[in-house]
Amino acid sequence: DTEVTQTPKHLVMGMTNKKSLKCEQHMGHRAMYWYKQKAKKPPELMFVYSYEKLSINESVPSRFSPECPNSSLLNLHLHALQPEDSALYLCASSPGWGYRLEQYFGPGTRLTVT
Amino acid sequence: AQKITQTQPGMFVQEKEAVTLDCTYDTSDQSYGLFWYKQPSSGEMIFLIYQGSYDEQNATEGRYSLNFQKARKSANLVISASQLGDSAMYFCAMREGGGNQFYFGTGTSLTVIP
Repeated sequence: DTEVTQTPKHLVMGMTNKKSLKCEQHMGHRAMYWYKQKAKKPPELMFVYSYEKLSINESVPSRFSPECPNSSLLNLHLHALQPEDSALYLCASSPGWGYRLEQYFGPGTRLTVT
Repeated sequence: AQKITQTQPGMFVQEKEAVTLDCTYDTSDQSYGLFWYKQPSSGEMIFLIYQGSYDEQNATEGRYSLNFQKARKSANLVISASQLGDSAMYFCAMREGGGNQFYFGTGTSLTVIP
């Protein structure tokens, strides 16, 4: 199983809503990532989890709250988002550290904030 | 300084022709990996090809090959015999040493013309 799954595929939420994005992998990977991507732009790194511990937080606003409940799951909790947070949110995983190790991406969640 | 530079925002190629997408990188690490990803309009990032800094041979994967020129710090992607399904965004990325982070270029939008 070389798949990273993400749910939901699409999400529309109001600025006062609370929602969560979910990411799952069963490849035994120890590094998991959240990216935000605007149209025609490269992915922007938000968070990195390493062995279920947050290792990188790229100064992301507190309205985004990551959680790694176990080695297979990664959540991104959303609260009081702004319209400019509308984007494609990509989850990725990697077996671990080491420059030879690629990232495996999920299909993404397209988020629209109204 | 940008870690990864892609200077071609958009490229066009005739079906069945070959095309080269440029990528230059900047690092002081001796150990690093270079990756190319394809992102169709559906949004999923698809891994295409990898080149390690110590690899002496250029990487090849089917119709994809990587023209690695270490002294010039370039890692260009060559797609041979272009197909309509190759129309997508292409991102070059780098991972340094034992780091967790991937650095992405700004991407090249490739359009294959029938």
